[in-house]
Amino acid sequence: AQKVTQAQTEISVVEKEDVTLDCVYETRDTTYYLFWYKQPPSGELVFLIRRNSFDEQNEISGRYSWNFQKSTSSFNFTITASQVVDSAVYFCALRTRGAGGTSYGKLTFGQGTILTVHP
Amino acid sequence: DGGITQSPKYLFRKEGQNVTLSCEQNLNHDAMYWYRQDPGQGLRLIYYSQIVNDFQKGDIAEGYSVSREKKESFPLTVTSAQKNPTAFYLCASSHFAGTEGNEQFFGPGTRLTVL
Repeated sequence: AQKVTQAQTEISVVEKEDVTLDCVYETRDTTYYLFWYKQPPSGELVFLIRRNSFDEQNEISGRYSWNFQKSTSSFNFTITASQVVDSAVYFCALRTRGAGGTSYGKLTFGQGTILTVHP
Repeated sequence: DGGITQSPKYLFRKEGQNVTLSCEQNLNHDAMYWYRQDPGQGLRLIYYSQIVNDFQKGDIAEGYSVSREKKESFPLTVTSAQKNPTAFYLCASSHFAGTEGNEQFFGPGTRLTVL
């Protein structure tokens, strides 16, 4: 069974602080993909990043960076110099190859972390 | 612009009524999905469809029904059998679901409230 845990329900920071959102996953599959999505107050989920299980390189995109560590089954997300516009709910998700030879793999979401950045 | 549209944005339903939520995409995606989001919880999969005229149950399909008569459209009906339908419903699409690395793109959502 797959599971994604985002231990931080809510995080509150002041603008310009760095903040890390934790994500721990569980799967028995050796091939899988990890995702981060942002959900602003408007409600629509916005895709941020995809990482496959064979690529442990960390990634940086502007103020965003991701640390993937298979040894600890973690895929943490850091926002550097946070801004008020970063306030949103952030979801980590896991997708694996489908069981029984089917090619569909279920996307499993964590519970989400509510990030509030105060001016 | 390419994207996913959902309508209506807000929907109110009386107990015992069936309601249908619309989802349309012009991204030429093969696969479409319906998720339900409750406060403090992640998204849970209701139904998904990999190709036209085919769809599969997700984790919480009871009380819901779907159809996929056109590639662009994947409407969700919330039936009176759904005991607690008040939630935020999100539709998503992706290129062929068989490639598990394909990211899903989401619509703006429909907030359903049962009166």
